[in-house]
Amino acid sequence: NAGVTQTPKFQVLKTGQSMTLQCAQDMNHEYMSWYRQDPGMGLRLIHYSVGAGITDQGEVPNGYNVSRSTTEDFPLRLLSAAPSQTSVYFCASRKSGTGGEKLFFGSGTQLSVL
Amino acid sequence: GQQVMQIPQYQHVQEGEDFTTYCNSSTTLSNIQWYKQRPGGHPVFLIQLVKSGEVKKQKRLTFQFGEAKKNSSLHITATQTTDVGTYFCAGRWSNTGKLIFGQGTTLQVKP
Repeated sequence: NAGVTQTPKFQVLKTGQSMTLQCAQDMNHEYMSWYRQDPGMGLRLIHYSVGAGITDQGEVPNGYNVSRSTTEDFPLRLLSAAPSQTSVYFCASRKSGTGGEKLFFGSGTQLSVL
Repeated sequence: GQQVMQIPQYQHVQEGEDFTTYCNSSTTLSNIQWYKQRPGGHPVFLIQLVKSGEVKKQKRLTFQFGEAKKNSSLHITATQTTDVGTYFCAGRWSNTGKLIFGQGTTLQVKP
């Protein structure tokens, strides 16, 4: 099993450009989420999904969109990139329900917005 | 808002010394998790604590969950260079079910 796969690993954008960060998992996990990691601020939840067709906002959702059309995929869209969105982005998934607390993280996407 | 505070932010130790990181929540937690992130890597799950006063050990690592379920600690005995990385706690709020990460403690170990 590949686990959680994120692409691309690195991306440079100009202010105002849009792009999609891809995330796929092959563990049949119901729950998927996106975090951003900034120095000194830990991991902050952007959006999450508890199943196909269901998404909800996390702590820092502004400027990002998500959709969940399949169990496997959970793409994160930046609508109009801003320098404040320069960060490392992690996708994470887990099973739902009791015993499914452990988060599995992808390898991350380092995004720079100029 | 609801927060999880983790201290210290950085810790430099000589190999063989002990290390402890502390995690404090503003609200009662239903459980707390710990993750390790190696430099340039992604967070990897270490353990989850659920019960008040719970203590769990993994080799040289000891994890504790406070009696009030609002604080936790990770203690590493006799650090090794392989312990280098950032350690995160993540608390799940009893009232909302949300999982909130602490800011992390970055451990450097001098050989």
